Amino acid sequence: DGGITQSPKYLFRKEGQNVTLSCEQNLNHDAMYWYRQDPGQGLRLIYYSQIVNDFQKGDIAEGYSVSREKKESFPLTVTSAQKNPTAFYLCATRLSGTGHNEQFFGPGTRLTVL
Amino acid sequence: AQTVTQSQPEMSVQEAETVTLSCTYDTSESNYYLFWYKQPPSRQMILVIRQEAYKQQNATENRFSVNFQKAAKSFSLKISDSQLGDTAMYFCAFMKHSGNTPLVFGKGTRLSVIA
Repeated sequence: DGGITQSPKYLFRKEGQNVTLSCEQNLNHDAMYWYRQDPGQGLRLIYYSQIVNDFQKGDIAEGYSVSREKKESFPLTVTSAQKNPTAFYLCATRLSGTGHNEQFFGPGTRLTVL
Repeated sequence: AQTVTQSQPEMSVQEAETVTLSCTYDTSESNYYLFWYKQPPSRQMILVIRQEAYKQQNATENRFSVNFQKAAKSFSLKISDSQLGDTAMYFCAFMKHSGNTPLVFGKGTRLSVIA
């Protein structure tokens, strides 16, 4: 099946630990995005990548890091520097080119830091 | 920078009735896209409808339609014949026309459809 996979669906970590959220896609899309969702805040951009080995910071990048070594994968690491990491994290992809304007979303990962 | 404002945090509508969700945005771009996304309790984001700014005709998808007023920077969503399955968070979003730029989202409107 074509799609976007985020695993796991629920993730629990102790305070002070780094944690990596997975995002994998087999849609052959060029661009990938990470958004954070908090109650009453909508979705806010953390990082995005338009091509392999390149990525840009979003509005709330502090305390997060990413890599884009393969087209299919865009993992997000939540570091201990992120002051309030408990949130719902959504990965999205988009195909490049004129007329391809839709972003497709994965099912999300709920991270809870205890 | 672009901003998107949804001024209605919560709304409710009776089943089979019509409801309109409001969205305003601010941008200096002349060409862009606007979207409405739906997020049901499963939390999966689903595209409801999109509008290209250079198209004057309002987009329509079955029971969903928009009222796009470019000069006023307004982009409202009308849901006709509301169904229980329409209960969800609805997000208005903006995207520049060029490049793989990210979406800019409003804070959302929680819509409840009442039987």
